[in-house]
Formats: sequence, structure tokens, C-alpha cells
Amino acid sequence: DIQMTQSPSSVSASIGDRVTITCRASQSITKWVIWYQQKAEKAPKLIMYSGSNLQPGVPSRFSGSGYGTEFTLTISNLQPEDFATYYCQQAKSFPITFGQGTRLEIK
Amino acid sequence: EVQLVESGGGLVQPGGSLRLSCAASGIIFSSYDMHWVRQAAGKGLEWVSNIGRGGDTYYADSVKGRFTISRENAKNSLYLQMSNLEVGDTALYFCATARLTGGGIEYWGQGALVTVSS
Repeated sequence: DIQMTQSPSSVSASIGDRVTITCRASQSITKWVIWYQQKAEKAPKLIMYSGSNLQPGVPSRFSGSGYGTEFTLTISNLQPEDFATYYCQQAKSFPITFGQGTRLEIK
Repeated sequence: EVQLVESGGGLVQPGGSLRLSCAASGIIFSSYDMHWVRQAAGKGLEWVSNIGRGGDTYYADSVKGRFTISRENAKNSLYLQMSNLEVGDTALYFCATARLTGGGIEYWGQGALVTVSS
């Protein structure tokens, strides 16, 4: 199975800051990383697919990059609604696996 | 508007069985691969199972041999038959659609709570 390791597990930031979350795959998944945002008590929301493609309706302050085994999700100009938990997921092969999550908190 | 509504959750004893259902609307259900994803309280996301448009199925190792995913396109419905349940299966179970292209899980229900306890 492909393991997905996210870092950091939590991060504190202020409104207007830029934050980067990293996800490493245990083997190459080429471009097949997906990013989700989850707020408490809610279903996850797809924000990025195929590594760097923004899901329609998601603000352009979100961006994704990477290929192979290392990927990043960057959120620029943090807004109050961005404070949530973020998960990466590999979509290269079954079983699908998620990272353990990164909690983004307000400083 | 896409809606996925799970039902069938509840309290069950270890070793028991439960069947989750998911009713889909607002999509051409037969065009979508479908997933079940679960989340234990305070924990991360865990993928459980997938069924393709053609009926091919995939399972997480943790549930293989105990859970069965199925779909009924005529009823726009997805199912998860869970047997030999363990305490570790306690979680909120989400029904979700795959994105049509590009990978990822696009539409999610609000979840059905399954509690396995004696």
C-alpha cells in the first residue's frame, strides 16, 4: 500500500499569512495527489485534484504543486474561513490512502 | 444540487451486522464510481471501499472479507453490507462520489454513524 505522510501535523498562522503543507508518498504517484479541506463536524471538501488543479469554486489563493513523491498545498493570504484540517490523498492505486491530516489554527 | 443521504447507521454489538444505504440525487448515478470513507471520532479519514461504474470493487485491507459494497443504479443507491463488526469499525461513514475525471472524491454525504459496542 502507498503511505502518505503529511507535515506538519498542525500549524498556527495569522490572517493574511501564507502557509505550506507537505505530503510525501512512500512511492511515486506521479501527479495523483488530491487535497481536501475539512471543518469540524462537516464532510470533507475537495479543493485540489491531480496535484495542481483547483476544484471549481475554490479560491485561487489555494495552489498545489509537486510530482512523484513530494507535494505541497499552499494557501496564500489566509482568510478566516481557511482555518480547518487539510488532508492529502493518493489516487494512483487502490487501496486509496490519506495522509494523517494537518490542522491549521489561528495564531 | 447533488445530494447524498446515508442511512442505516446505529449501535451494534461486536460480531454483528449492519447495512448502510446511500441515496443519491442531482447526478447521473450510473456515471459515477462510488466510495465509502469513514472517520472515527477525532481521527483522520480512512478509505473503506469503492465500486466502479462497471461494478468492479475494491476494499481496504481492514475490511476485506467482512464488508461488501454494492450499487443499484435503477434506485440511485449505494450500499455497504458490514458483517462481523469490530469495535474498531466505530466511525462516521461517508458515502461519496469519485470525481468524473482527474481523481479525487468530489461529492460527500453527511455521514452515518456506526457504533460497535457491547
